[in-house]
Amino acid sequence: KAGVTQTPRYLIKTRGQQVTLSCSPISGHRSVSWYQQTPGQGLQFLFEYFSETQRNKGNFPGRFSGRQFSNSRSEMNVSTLELGDSALYLCASSFKPGQLADTQYFGPGTRLTVL
Amino acid sequence: AQSVTQLGSHVSVSEGALVLLRCNYSSSVPPYLFWYVQYPNQGLQLLLKYTSAATLVKGINGFEAEFKKSETSFHLTKPSAHMSDAAEYFCAVRAAGGGADGLTFGKGTHLIIQP
Repeated sequence: KAGVTQTPRYLIKTRGQQVTLSCSPISGHRSVSWYQQTPGQGLQFLFEYFSETQRNKGNFPGRFSGRQFSNSRSEMNVSTLELGDSALYLCASSFKPGQLADTQYFGPGTRLTVL
Repeated sequence: AQSVTQLGSHVSVSEGALVLLRCNYSSSVPPYLFWYVQYPNQGLQLLLKYTSAATLVKGINGFEAEFKKSETSFHLTKPSAHMSDAAEYFCAVRAAGGGADGLTFGKGTHLIIQP
């Protein structure tokens, strides 16, 4: 079974631009979560989607948004990019939400650099 | 809200020696605990998880961890380190009523294996 895939793997943008990252979950998984990883703040939860609806959201500004499609694929968008948005963005999928013991399977991440 | 503290941002051991990576958690309700490993330029891979079934949890690659409620700890161990164990290790917690419902990660421990 194929793992979680994320595209693109690397991205370079300039301040003020916007960016869209894509995530395809493991086949059969319907919940997708996004995390931001930076050297200073570590791994932080962004949001979770299930059945095309955002279930949970971490403590991030409204510039960070996402959506999920009917095939469970998810995208996250960051508008008006800031230098501090440079990070590795990780997507994780699980079978269904609300099962706290469920394993989240992570993709390889998208490395975003903001210049 | 829950939190995780990983003692030691860097741990260095000799090949063949015992590996001990420390994790302490804070949670007002019974938590689910996870250890993930991250190799350079890759996503996170689950090593093991505690879901209250057994306090001693065995994972992949010879790793195991013991849940100690009295010490609020979930330390990761491996009897004999191998060069391929060099990586970043993250402890994470998830608990009901935590608000965002995503995984809360520690800052990570970089494991260095000396030949």
